[in-house]
Amino acid sequence: NAGVTQTPKFRILKIGQSMTLQCAQDMNHNYMYWYRQDPGMGLKLIYYSVGAGITDKGEVPNGYNVSRSTTEDFPLRLELAAPSQTSVYFCASSSGVNTEAFFGQGTRLTVV
Amino acid sequence: GDSVTQMEGPVTLSEEAFLTINCTYTATGYPSLFWYVQYPGEGLQLLLKATKADDKGSNKGFEATYRKETTSFHLEKGSVQVSDSAVYFCALSGAAAGNKLTFGGGTRVLVKP
Repeated sequence: NAGVTQTPKFRILKIGQSMTLQCAQDMNHNYMYWYRQDPGMGLKLIYYSVGAGITDKGEVPNGYNVSRSTTEDFPLRLELAAPSQTSVYFCASSSGVNTEAFFGQGTRLTVV
Repeated sequence: GDSVTQMEGPVTLSEEAFLTINCTYTATGYPSLFWYVQYPGEGLQLLLKATKADDKGSNKGFEATYRKETTSFHLEKGSVQVSDSAVYFCALSGAAAGNKLTFGGGTRVLVKP
């Protein structure tokens, strides 16, 4: 059972570089989410999606973009990396209203 | 908007001690409530949940009761083990907020032998 798969697990970026964090789920979930977790802190919602073709901003969307062209995939794009984006990024999915979310293992990103 | 407030840690306990982590929430409508656990170096995994008032979620010796009158969902365990050392997150999800999963700040628990 794959569940939610995130790639890469680790990445070091230089300031100003761009990258895409990949997230895929095989549970046919409509809802998908991207969170960031700063050291010693809780999770902050970056973007979420309630289905293919539909995305919306969370509480910290600046500096990020997403797309949802299929039910399975929800990539997160960083266009101009900044040190403030150093964090651990978690992707999650859920089947619908009031249901539990399943999380990926996270991507640890360092911007230097 | 929806929000979750939980007690700050770290909470340091001895093995077999009683654990309580307080969680209160603000939400419109009737959200579902969750406790997630994050072990070192891992992602979050669901510990327990409750979907309506007075429901009790339980798993691995942990319990939490959905109290609508006090808007609370406190996590308890009667006798903790070293293996319970982790970060615990209270969360809510509701249709009124577009099913966004909103988390509290997390509480780190350290159980010493």
